[in-house]
Amino acid sequence: AQKVTQAQTEISVVEKEDVTLDCVYETRDTTYYLFWYKQPPSGELVFLIRRNSFDEQNEISGRYSWNFQKSTSSFNFTITASQVVDSAVYFCALSELYSGNTPLVFGKGTRLSVIA
Amino acid sequence: GAVVSQHPSRVICKSGTSVKIECRSLDFQATTMFWYRQFPKQSLMLMATSNEGSKATYEQGVEKDKFLINHASLTLSTLTVTSAHPEDSSFYICSAESTYEQYFGPGTRLTVT
Repeated sequence: AQKVTQAQTEISVVEKEDVTLDCVYETRDTTYYLFWYKQPPSGELVFLIRRNSFDEQNEISGRYSWNFQKSTSSFNFTITASQVVDSAVYFCALSELYSGNTPLVFGKGTRLSVIA
Repeated sequence: GAVVSQHPSRVICKSGTSVKIECRSLDFQATTMFWYRQFPKQSLMLMATSNEGSKATYEQGVEKDKFLINHASLTLSTLTVTSAHPEDSSFYICSAESTYEQYFGPGTRLTVT
């Protein structure tokens, strides 16, 4: 069975601080996708990244970066120089790769509050 | 990118009534759509998988007679909450799949009074 664990329920940081959101996953599949989504108060999920299990390279997009380590089954997300607009709930998720008809398994989410 | 819409975005209904939520893929055809439910301050949990032209597959613990799903076309799936009760109050989100990519709708917030 697939499982995603986000151990940090809530994090509070002061603006301009860096913050890392942890994500640990479990799956018996050898191929899979990992995702991060942002959910602002409006509720709509905002897609941030999708990474397949073949690609362990870290990725950077502006102030966002992701560290994927298969050896520790982790896919951590770092926000550099956080801003108030980053305040939201962030979900890590997992799905099978290439099989179609496959829903996402979500972690419980981490609520990030960035204080001005 | 692909767009998925949901209607209504918010609905308030009285206990005992039924509510229909629509999920549409606007610019692509989706043979598979998923319905998720999210209770306040909790994660998204898969309720059911909706396949065009066939019966939906429900997750364990989800009452199929209470949450009726119809996927009559490649662009529309509907979720009907029958005889709604306050405990059904939740945020319902659909996603539509197209060539192994999933696209989420903006969600429907249901409040049952």
